Amino acid sequence: EVQLVESGGGLVQPGRSLKLSCAASGFTFSDYNMAWVRQAPKKGLEWVATISYDGSSTYYRDSVKGRFTISRDNAKSTLYLQMDSLRSEDTATYYCARWDYYSSYVDYWGQGVMVTVSS
Amino acid sequence: DVQMTQSPSYLAASPGESVSISCKASKSISNNLAWYQEKPGKANKLLIHSGSTLQSGTPSRFSGSGSGTDFTLTIRSLESEDFAVYYCQQYNEYPPTFGAGTKLELK
Repeated sequence: EVQLVESGGGLVQPGRSLKLSCAASGFTFSDYNMAWVRQAPKKGLEWVATISYDGSSTYYRDSVKGRFTISRDNAKSTLYLQMDSLRSEDTATYYCARWDYYSSYVDYWGQGVMVTVSS
Repeated sequence: DVQMTQSPSYLAASPGESVSISCKASKSISNNLAWYQEKPGKANKLLIHSGSTLQSGTPSRFSGSGSGTDFTLTIRSLESEDFAVYYCQQYNEYPPTFGAGTKLELK
């Protein structure tokens, strides 16, 4: 059974940093592109970043470029999202997502972790 | 970015009824569209990809149609477990973008 379990969320002040982790199990992690998707309170889903199966390629939405870094450790089957210079508009539930093997939609989601940016 | 417009935002229906949810793209996305279901306390679930292909495990009462810019998710003979929020997502080009969601409520 595919499982994606996020951790590392919490309350953080504007301008500070936070690192999210996603522990994957139930599949060969190193075979799949992975992503982070977020959902601000009372808002819809928003793609944040994607990383290729081997970590060689990364993609970011414009509003997080230069502030967020997606990475992975295939030996540990873990996905990360380093979030620096956090802003209030980054407040959201962050979901770890497995991209379909052949395309760019999510075939499995984690349950999400809440990040609140507030002073 | 490709804008995805879902309608309606809210939909009230009763078990046994059939409902349809629309998703319109701001430009052609071929059939590169997925539908997801969101329920409280559960991980989001992929229902349909490629516009009309049911993901393994998706009940056959769900169906998707459309291509280009106009897509529809139809649920026939609603069951109690179907009351949820539904999102569409285009993956024809980066960045992938989602619709704002449709909340299907019990009438």
